[in-house]
Amino acid sequence: GENVEQHPSTLSVQEGDSAVIKCTYSDSASNYFPWYKQELGKRPQLIIDIRSNVGEKKDQRIAVTLNKTAKHFSLHITETQPEDSAVYFCAASSPGTYKYIFGTGTRLKVLA
Amino acid sequence: NAGVMQNPRHLVRRRGQEARLRCSPMKGHSHVYWYRQLPEEGLKFMVYLQKENIIDESGMPKERFSAEFPKEGPSILRIQQVVRGDSAAYFCASSEGAGAEKLFFGSGTQLSVL
Repeated sequence: GENVEQHPSTLSVQEGDSAVIKCTYSDSASNYFPWYKQELGKRPQLIIDIRSNVGEKKDQRIAVTLNKTAKHFSLHITETQPEDSAVYFCAASSPGTYKYIFGTGTRLKVLA
Repeated sequence: NAGVMQNPRHLVRRRGQEARLRCSPMKGHSHVYWYRQLPEEGLKFMVYLQKENIIDESGMPKERFSAEFPKEGPSILRIQQVVRGDSAAYFCASSEGAGAEKLFFGSGTQLSVL
């Protein structure tokens, strides 16, 4: 079945450094890839998304890249701040389906 | 726009009791999705509903779990005869259209089974 693998499971960076989280998906038909940020005890919040007809998308300090051939996509956070500390989830969905397949999450800790 | 509303936030049940979780989608959204999150894990799809219709329930356990989204009122996820393994956070999400793009999640219901 469909699967999304996410790495690393935990990531600690110094404030101001960059953080990169990587995901690999199995279904080559997947065409929509959102990223969610979840703070402790709170709802997952959509922070950025990308469709398969685009290779890169940027929104201020956050960017996502997609490599369809290799079936992987990555989240890049630059100039990290303590408030970026949270669990980040990638997901993939395919046309004609109605569900996201989520990765297992990356706990990001930004050290002040 | 109040966003996706879920209640209760916390629900404690003893083994064998029933749990009813409610979800009101964002205003203007007619598509509702339920996901389950176990501790330290990602979210797992359970069911997708439109008003009065179950579209995809491929992630629902075959027994004890059911979901509905009536013409009037919130979507309900019902778990009968709960067991300890049902303890999890249950998140509801809604979208404006079909195809599962741009899901907006509620704050979740934390179910604890004693």
